[in-house]
Amino acid sequence: SAVISQKPSRDICQRGTSLTIQCQVDSQVTMMFWYRQQPGQSLTLIATANQGSEATYESGFVIDKFPISRPNLTFSTLTVSNMSPEDSSIYLCSVSTRVNQPQHFGDGTRLSIL
Amino acid sequence: AQTVTQSQPEMSVQEAETVTLSCTYDTSESDYYLFWYKQPPSRQMILVIRQEAYKQQNATENRFSVNFQKAAKSFSLKISDSQLGDAAMYFCCVTPLVFGKGTRLSVIA
Repeated sequence: SAVISQKPSRDICQRGTSLTIQCQVDSQVTMMFWYRQQPGQSLTLIATANQGSEATYESGFVIDKFPISRPNLTFSTLTVSNMSPEDSSIYLCSVSTRVNQPQHFGDGTRLSIL
Repeated sequence: AQTVTQSQPEMSVQEAETVTLSCTYDTSESDYYLFWYKQPPSRQMILVIRQEAYKQQNATENRFSVNFQKAAKSFSLKISDSQLGDAAMYFCCVTPLVFGKGTRLSVIA
């Protein structure tokens, strides 16, 4: 199964700043996803990162707030822009070969905004 | 839109005993897949078991098995011979990419 490295593992940020989270996979994968998970809660899909084109965002998430890059089949970044305390959460990257195949997850980034 | 309901926020089981976690779902898709994922306190989510909706046979993976009732849209997870390492959050998931709220399982020694 794919090995996923997600950085940073945690950060504490000031209100109004931006943070970029990186997701590196040890093999080429078709599908990469970004999730948000409140502590002790379920996962909410933010967007699907598409290689070579704009990400596909879920309802309630917009590109200006969560810009995503995917320059190749092994790497993606998620930026949380103009952060507010409501953005405090765990952000997870996952990969899959197809939507009906199991996902493999990174360790997540625990983000706190003061 | 797909929905997934896990009605048990918390469950506990004695070590070596059996526990069943419930999951119901709703989908308009005719072809879909269901998963159970486990998230230990270390946070990394890992796959426990997978079920193709077109297969009537229930999936089994060592001590983990499912009871898939397609007509009832039910997909429960049974853990046999529970071990301390089974303690985690368990998430039910239906394609494409809809997760339940999770069940926190505690294993009592």
